[in-house]
Amino acid sequence: DAGITQSPRHKVTETGTPVTLRCHQTENHRYMYWYRQDPGHGLRLIHYSYGVKDTDKGEVSDGYSVSRSKTEDFLLTLESATSSQTSVYFCAIAGPQGQGDTQYFGPGTRLTVL
Amino acid sequence: GQNIDQPTEMTATEGAIVQINCTYQTSGFNGLFWYQQHAGEAPTFLSYNVLDGLEEKGRFSSFLSRSKGYSYLLLKELQMKDSASYLCAVHPSNTNAGKSTFGDGTTLTVKP
Repeated sequence: DAGITQSPRHKVTETGTPVTLRCHQTENHRYMYWYRQDPGHGLRLIHYSYGVKDTDKGEVSDGYSVSRSKTEDFLLTLESATSSQTSVYFCAIAGPQGQGDTQYFGPGTRLTVL
Repeated sequence: GQNIDQPTEMTATEGAIVQINCTYQTSGFNGLFWYQQHAGEAPTFLSYNVLDGLEEKGRFSSFLSRSKGYSYLLLKELQMKDSASYLCAVHPSNTNAGKSTFGDGTTLTVKP
């Protein structure tokens, strides 16, 4: 199994508070992704990274920001959490080519915004 | 952009064969993935097709027709543990970041 962890695994927070989710990999893969998964919507890409300090938006990036200061860590921040951001968040890694590479997923973070 | 369609739910009997279809429309194509996701768990890789034809891996096979924008996942000798969601994901060619677009998944229920 790819070495990829997420923290925290579960979090309950209140509307308006900032939240940061962490994804950590030990595989030295170049590409990292943040998805959210909601019933009836499958996996939707929030942001992704193709290298240290290189990030770009996915299809549902509003309300989220990311940072990647080291190869192994990719942080997802909700600046001011809203109830619509209640979801399961998955981090994934891929590499080294990107195109045609299998994505390996972390265990997920279940976030509840009250 | 990408549009991926797969059935929402399927039911099959233990020991039987089931075929899960996936159709896609993309602006470029560089491969199609199938992932399996058990309830409450992360998706895990099942298969990858980039050329037309059938790829076989034990009880699981995946087929691709690029001209038709069509793939299927074939599961043989179904077992109860095969009850899961199956995600089709397309990898477009016009990207520098290895992005895949996922279908909404097909929930397969295997009954005794």
